[in-house]
Amino acid sequence: KAGVTQTPRYLIKTRGQQVTLSCSPISGHRSVSWYQQTPGQGLQFLFEYFSETQRNKGNFPGRFSGRQFSNSRSEMNVSTLELGDSALYLCASSVGTGLSGNTIYFGEGSWLTVV
Amino acid sequence: AQTVTQSQPEMSVQEAETVTLSCTYDTSENNYYLFWYKQPPSRQMILVIRQEAYKQQNATENRFSVNFQKAAKSFSLKISDSQLGDTAMYFCAYPPNTGNQFYFGTGTSLTVIP
Repeated sequence: KAGVTQTPRYLIKTRGQQVTLSCSPISGHRSVSWYQQTPGQGLQFLFEYFSETQRNKGNFPGRFSGRQFSNSRSEMNVSTLELGDSALYLCASSVGTGLSGNTIYFGEGSWLTVV
Repeated sequence: AQTVTQSQPEMSVQEAETVTLSCTYDTSENNYYLFWYKQPPSRQMILVIRQEAYKQQNATENRFSVNFQKAAKSFSLKISDSQLGDTAMYFCAYPPNTGNQFYFGTGTSLTVIP
């Protein structure tokens, strides 16, 4: 069974631009969550989607948005990029949500550099 | 507020020796799960082990085991017979009972020395 797939793996953007990252979950997984990892802030939760609905959202500005499609694939978008958005963006998928104990499985991440 | 604390930023261990990584957490819930994830240089997060708070028995996965102290809210990871491939960042994680929003500690960078 294929793992969580994230594209693109690496990208460089200019301040003020926008970026879209894609995540394909493990087959059969309906929950997709996104995390931002930076040296200064560590791993921070961005948002979670389940059945095309956003379930939870972390403490990030409205420039960060996401969506989920009927096949459970998810995209996240960051508009008006800032230098501080440079980070590793990790996508994780899980079979379900709402119950403690769901294990989340991560993709390899998308490295975003904003210059 | 849910928090996860890892007080050891860096650790090292000789190959074949045993090392213990510490983690404490804060929660008001009675039943919950705790996780350890490993992030090698490739940066992909890999599940190491998980523990259900309701179970008194400590979880074990091959060379990895936990020491779960519910009253003390402590959840340490023991790695036995350390191997070079164990070199990685290790994150302790706690998801409240509301979904898949995990809270991660700041991580412990483990180096296995040959």
